[in-house]
Amino acid sequence: DAKTTQPNSMESNEEEPVHLPCNHSTISGTDYIHWYRQLPSQGPEYVIHGLTSNVNNRMASLAIAEDRKSSTLILHRATLRDAAVYYCILRSGPSGTYKYIFGTGTRLKVLA
Amino acid sequence: GAVVSQHPSWVICKSGTSVKIECRSLDFQATTMFWYRQFPKKSLMLMATSNEGSKATYEQGVEKDKFLINHASLTLSTLTVTSAHPEDSSFYICSARLAGGQYTQYFGPGTRLTVL
Repeated sequence: DAKTTQPNSMESNEEEPVHLPCNHSTISGTDYIHWYRQLPSQGPEYVIHGLTSNVNNRMASLAIAEDRKSSTLILHRATLRDAAVYYCILRSGPSGTYKYIFGTGTRLKVLA
Repeated sequence: GAVVSQHPSWVICKSGTSVKIECRSLDFQATTMFWYRQFPKKSLMLMATSNEGSKATYEQGVEKDKFLINHASLTLSTLTVTSAHPEDSSFYICSARLAGGQYTQYFGPGTRLTVL
C-alpha cells in the first residue's frame, strides 16, 4: 500500500499562510492525492484532492511536485477554526477497490 | 452535497451486549462504504469495505464474526458490534464513496461507543 509521511505537528499564527508538507515517494501513476482534516470528536472533512496539476478550492490550495513524490497543502490565511489534524492520503488498492490508508497526520495548532 | 450521517452519535452498553451503528448517505448513492475505528489520539484504522448487495471485505486482523456489516441499500450500511467488551470501546467512523470519478470518500460524524 502506498504510504505518506507528514510532520507530527506544526504551528502557525492566525491570519498567516500555512504550508503542510506530505511525502509520498511510492506513489503510482494513477494515484490521486487526497487531503482531509479532522476536528476533535468529528469525522474527517474533505479538503482537496489532485493528480498532477496544482488545485485550488475555497478551502485551500494543493501544490503537487513535478515528480509527484511530494505535495503541499496551503491554507492561505489560517484561522483558529483551522486547528485540526490534517491527513494526506493516497488511495490504495486495485482498480475499483480503492481504499484510504491513513497515516499519522499533522496536528496543526493555530496561535491567536 | 455529499453528506453522510451516523446514528447513534454515542452509545453506552453493558459488556456482552450487541450494538448496531447505522451509516447513511443522505444526498447521494454509495455503492461502497467503509468502516473505520479510531482510538484516542490515534489515526483512523480501516476495518472493512462494504459493497452494496455483497459481503464486506475485512482488513487483516479484524474479526468478521464480531463486527457484522450489512449494506442492504445504496444509502445505508450498518455495523453491529456483537458481544461487545470494554476493549471494543472506540470511535467508529463510516465513509461513503461517490460512484465513479476520483473515488473521493465522504465521512460521517462518528459514533462513540463505550462498553462498561
